[in-house]
Amino acid sequence: GAVVSQHPSWVICKSGTSVKIECRSLDFQATTMFWYRQFPKQSLMLMATSNEGSKATYEQGVEKDKFLINHASLTLSTLTVTSAHPEDSSFYICSARDYQGRGVEAFFGQGTRLTVV
Amino acid sequence: SQQGEEDPQALSIQEGENATMNCSYKTSINNLQWYRQNSGRGLVHLILIRSNEREKHSGRLRVTLDTSKKSSSLLITASRAADTASYFCATAFSNTGKLIFGQGTTLQVKP
Repeated sequence: GAVVSQHPSWVICKSGTSVKIECRSLDFQATTMFWYRQFPKQSLMLMATSNEGSKATYEQGVEKDKFLINHASLTLSTLTVTSAHPEDSSFYICSARDYQGRGVEAFFGQGTRLTVV
Repeated sequence: SQQGEEDPQALSIQEGENATMNCSYKTSINNLQWYRQNSGRGLVHLILIRSNEREKHSGRLRVTLDTSKKSSSLLITASRAADTASYFCATAFSNTGKLIFGQGTTLQVKP
C-alpha cells in the first residue's frame, strides 16, 4: 500500500515552546491530508483537514492559532503546536488518501507522541 | 465530533476463538472502514465496505454492514495472540478520505 511517513515519532518539549510535526506521502501525491489527535486509551479525534495551497479546515473546538497547519506541497503537510502546554501532550497522527487511483482508503502515518513538560 | 459507538469496549478471548466487534453510527455514509492499532502505533487499514455492500471478506476477517440499522460488525475468526490490538471503525461521508472514528474495541487474545 501507499506510504505515509510522519516525523518525528516522538518529541519532548518544554512548556511554551513550539513543535513541528511533518507528514509526508512518499509514493503518491496528496492534495488533502488529515490530522488527528488521540489521548491515551481513547479514539482518534479529527482536528483538521489540510489542503494543498490553501488554508486548512479546522474541526469545531480546535484552535487554529494553536495548531498551525501548512500544506505547501503535494507531498508534505506540517502541524505546528504553538506555545505548547502539558495539556497538549498527546499522540498526533496524520493520514492521506491517494486520489490517483488506489481506492478510497486512507493511509496513516506512524504517529507522533508529544510530551510537553 | 465522534460519530461511532463500538462495543464491546474490551474483549478478552483465547487463541483460536472468534472475536466479534460491533460499530454503530449516526448519519448516512459513503463507506465504512475498519482499522487496527497496536499500542502506541499508527493505524493499519484492514477492510473497507461501501454503503451498497452488505458483507465483505478478507482472509480471517468478515465485515457486515446494515445501513438500515446504521451498524457494522467485524468478525475475526480463529484468532491469534498477534491479533491483540485496538480495533476502530471509521465512517466516511464522501471519497475525500476524511474519517470519523468510533470509540474502539480493545481485543486481547490469550495464547
